[in-house]
Amino acid sequence: ETGVTQTPRHLVMGMTNKKSLKCEQHLGHNAMYWYKQSAKKPLELMFVYNFKEQTENNSVPSRFSPECPNSSHLFLHLHTLQPEDSALYLCASSQVDGSGAPQETQYFGPGTRLLVL
Amino acid sequence: GQQLNQSPQSMFIQEGEDVSMNCTSSSIFNTWLWYKQEPGEGPVLLIALYKAGELTSNGRLTAQFGITRKDSFLNISASRPSDVGIYFCAGLPSGTYKYIFGTGTRLKVLA
Repeated sequence: ETGVTQTPRHLVMGMTNKKSLKCEQHLGHNAMYWYKQSAKKPLELMFVYNFKEQTENNSVPSRFSPECPNSSHLFLHLHTLQPEDSALYLCASSQVDGSGAPQETQYFGPGTRLLVL
Repeated sequence: GQQLNQSPQSMFIQEGEDVSMNCTSSSIFNTWLWYKQEPGEGPVLLIALYKAGELTSNGRLTAQFGITRKDSFLNISASRPSDVGIYFCAGLPSGTYKYIFGTGTRLKVLA
């Protein structure tokens, strides 16, 4: 595997379900990100992990819970979502310096298309 | 908050034509990135720009980092049907560590 991978690619869930999205990066980066992409809106940054520590929570509802067990893996745990949470969820990774400043560009995974019924 | 305006929102062009799109910001950026996203896929990096005035090419694609550091453009020469997709700009505002994304330019090429 190369680059950034995400599973599953598609997910349909009810509002009472619990599910998890998985992201894995094979680039040796030390920072990982979750973005939400909705139709006709700019990419919205949700969470940032630098060196496995969460450094950013962009006012995301608590029904989204991230987990970063190591620098290569990132999860997004989903619980009691709403229909308006249906979107493409993108994971990205990059290399950052000690202060969190990007040293190079971000690379994206293919995304998980989520539909909440 | 930071604003990033990308235009045009969509383009329909004939195969072989050249394409130009741009992004402008209300503040100074340190980095500009251009991505292409195809249906069902994540954005794929096309070109990265790190210095004001920088002009970089990637095959038929050329992008420039504006001198004012508040804008960037992407040109595609001799367009092909395979160029269809959504093109996003992203910028790293000076003094911040978070990229901001444009709303995208949807490109359709008619054979």
